[in-house]
Amino acid sequence: ETGVTQTPRHLVMGMTNKKSLKCEQHLGHNAMYWYKQSAKKPLELMFVYSLEERVENNSVPSRFSPECPNSSHLFLHLHTLQPEDSALYLCASSQDLGQGYGEQFFGPGTRLTVL
Amino acid sequence: AQSVAQPEDQVNVAEGNPLTVKCTYSVSGNPYLFWYVQYPNRGLQFLLKYITGDNLVKGSYGFEAEFNKSQTSFHLKKPSALVSDSALYFCAVRALRKGFQKLVFGTGTRLLVSP
Repeated sequence: ETGVTQTPRHLVMGMTNKKSLKCEQHLGHNAMYWYKQSAKKPLELMFVYSLEERVENNSVPSRFSPECPNSSHLFLHLHTLQPEDSALYLCASSQDLGQGYGEQFFGPGTRLTVL
Repeated sequence: AQSVAQPEDQVNVAEGNPLTVKCTYSVSGNPYLFWYVQYPNRGLQFLLKYITGDNLVKGSYGFEAEFNKSQTSFHLKKPSALVSDSALYFCAVRALRKGFQKLVFGTGTRLLVSP
């Protein structure tokens, strides 16, 4: 499989549940990103990882917990979410954070609904 | 700080007519500019980028973009629109922050091509 994959594609969870989103990139990239896309809002960058090290955390609530066990995999662990967290969560990767032109490749996203 | 603006929430065009989706940018230094497209319930797909060189950049699916330094614009164009081009289009600029690069996205423009 090529490109960036995300699972699950759809997720419905209650506010007390714990779930995880998974992202895998097959491009040999060193940087990975989590974005949140809500209706009528700009794309929000949540977390940035470079070689498994977190380099950016854009004031994201602690109910979102990222994990990057290796440069190909990125997780977003979710717990005690709120209805306003319902959104499309996008994963992306790029060759590197400090080199190249910054082009990012996106996965198809996980549509999250919090009841 | 680097930013992009997409002044139109939606652009309507008839199939077969030329289309333009507008983007203006604000950067310090040389701009690295990108266009992405998002189809319903999908991630963002890369269309084209401007790094340097010719002001007219050709990309995927027959799209092109014109870089205009004096007007700080990077408008997306296509000579003849297809119904299948209907989607959400994002302009982005590379930003450097804390020693690494990231993409700053516009708010998106919805393109609706009518038969």
